Amino acid sequence: DGGITQSPKYLFRKEGQNVTLSCEQNLNHDAMYWYRQDPGQGLRLIYYSQIVNDFQKGDIAEGYSVSREKKESFPLTVTSAQKNPTAFYLCASSMRSGGGAFTDTQYFGPGTRLTVL
Amino acid sequence: AQSVTQPDIHITVSEGASLELRCNYSYGATPYLFWYVQSPGQGLQLLLKYFSGDTLVQGIKGFEAEFKRSQSSFNLRKPSVHWSDAAEYFCAVGGDYKLSFGAGTTVTVRA
Repeated sequence: DGGITQSPKYLFRKEGQNVTLSCEQNLNHDAMYWYRQDPGQGLRLIYYSQIVNDFQKGDIAEGYSVSREKKESFPLTVTSAQKNPTAFYLCASSMRSGGGAFTDTQYFGPGTRLTVL
Repeated sequence: AQSVTQPDIHITVSEGASLELRCNYSYGATPYLFWYVQSPGQGLQLLLKYFSGDTLVQGIKGFEAEFKRSQSSFNLRKPSVHWSDAAEYFCAVGGDYKLSFGAGTTVTVRA
């Protein structure tokens, strides 16, 4: 089955720790995205990547980092600089990149819930 | 700047009744509009999308949406709601630099 997988489903972090959330897709999509979801706020874009070895900051990139070494993988690291990391994190992908990326349908993974202890 | 407003935070509807979820957008050019549904603790699933052409769009699970440019709206409808439609619904508008989501509408279905 083609789709997007995220792991782990639940993640607990202690203060001062970095943690990495995994996102893998086998849809052969060019573009990948990371969103943060908080209750009552919809989804906010953290980072996106339209091609391997390239990525851009979204609206709330501070305290996060990403890499795109392979087309199918786009891991997100939540660093200790992120002051309020408890949230639900969603990864998505879309077929097109470039100018059409944000007008193309985005397909979402099942999410990772991160809780800071 | 592009934005989406979903005026209703929570809607309760009886099973078998009709449902309408409101969405208003702000975008300077031709909008690319989407409706997604999210079950608790899950990712988002695309219900339908509008790019151009017929302003009444059919989607999955019996949903439809109507694009009204004059009102900057893209309201989602379903004629008869099933208990499995209880979820959170997000409207989104796609532009040059981002996909902007509304805050969502939670739908509760009562028996």
